[in-house]
Formats: sequence, C-alpha cells, structure tokens
Amino acid sequence: NAGVTQTPKFRVLKTGQSMTLLCAQDMNHEYMYWYRQDPGMGLRLIHYSVGEGTTAKGEVPDGYNVSRLKKQNFLLGLESAAPSQTSVYFCASSWSGTPYEQYFGPGTRLTVT
Amino acid sequence: GQQLNQSPQSMFIQEGEDVSMNCTSSSIFNTWLWYKQDPGEGPVLLIALYKAGELTSNGRLTAQFGITRKDSFLNISASIPSDVGIYFCAGPGGSNYKLTFGKGTLLTVNP
Repeated sequence: NAGVTQTPKFRVLKTGQSMTLLCAQDMNHEYMYWYRQDPGMGLRLIHYSVGEGTTAKGEVPDGYNVSRLKKQNFLLGLESAAPSQTSVYFCASSWSGTPYEQYFGPGTRLTVT
Repeated sequence: GQQLNQSPQSMFIQEGEDVSMNCTSSSIFNTWLWYKQDPGEGPVLLIALYKAGELTSNGRLTAQFGITRKDSFLNISASIPSDVGIYFCAGPGGSNYKLTFGKGTLLTVNP
C-alpha cells in the first residue's frame, strides 16, 4: 500500500513553461485535493475533486488547471508558470465518509525562475 | 473565509517536557483536526475531533474540542526528539470537503 504518491519530487521551470504534476492514490478514495504550501502561509487549497470526472476550485485556483480522468489519479497543470507559483505542492485524498481526514503525499518542490 | 489562529508560532523545549498549543477560529466548527508535518514530508493526521467537549488521545498526544466550538487544544506529554515538526490545526473550510489550515506551530525539542 503506497498511499498517496506524487511525481516529480523536484522541478525547476523557467517563466512561461508548462508542466503537469501527477498524484496517485491506491486507497480507493473518492475525494482528492491539491494544496500549495508557502512559508508563513500554511496550506492553501488550489482545486479539489469529489469524484472521477469532476473538479472544483479551491481558495487559490488562478493559474492552475486540474483533471480527474481516473479515480486514482489527480493531475495539476501549470500552463504558463510564473515565479509566484514557486512553492511546495501537496496532493491529498480522503474517503467520502470522513472527508476531513485527509492523507497527504510527500510533496513536489517547484521553483520557477 | 474561515480563519484559524494558532499559538504559539514556535516553541523550543527540552526533551521530557510537556507541550501545549492551541487553535482558535473566527467561527464555529463542527470538526477539528490536528496534523503533524515532519521536515520535507507531507502532513500526517494525528487526531480528529467531532464533538464539542471531546477529549481524544493518540499515544502521548491529547487533543480537545473546545466547548465553545471555536477552539481546540493539543497537548504532548513527555516530549522526545522525534516530536520535532510543524503542528497544524485544521477545520472545515466553509463548505463540504474543504479544509482550512492554521499557519502551524513549529516545535523544536532539545535532547
């Protein structure tokens, strides 16, 4: 049981480049989430999904897109990276019966220069 | 949106000491959660509280759901070096499924 995995672990992008972060979970959870963590800001929700084929905006969605084509995967895309998107990105998942008991992945550290 | 205030922001303690930290909300919560984040890792759920007044333990950790439903407390007894990390409180973010996190309490334990 790997839990929640994220790829890649580290990435450096130049301004304007695009990339996709992949999150996978093997717990058959219905709900999945993408957060970003910045120093002094705690964790902020970017987008979330309550099921395959559905996504919704969180607290800080601008500049990001997501897709949930398969129940176990949740992709986060940056179409045109900006330095303000330098952050650590965490994916999480939860069972629908206890949505707030979220299981987090190890994170992706992204630097945009 | 919901605001969670955690205090203290950081703590430096000696191994073996007890630790207390708390979290307050600008509005009433029906759920409180405490997470711990080790350096370079994702947060891990420690305790979930679902009822006002509830007191729940997980090993040396004890958390309480405040009676007013606007606060929660986390205590760690007999701290050890592996307790080092950032402790976050969290609660429902104003609608189903979403969590709002506090900014965390950074705990350092001197052996």
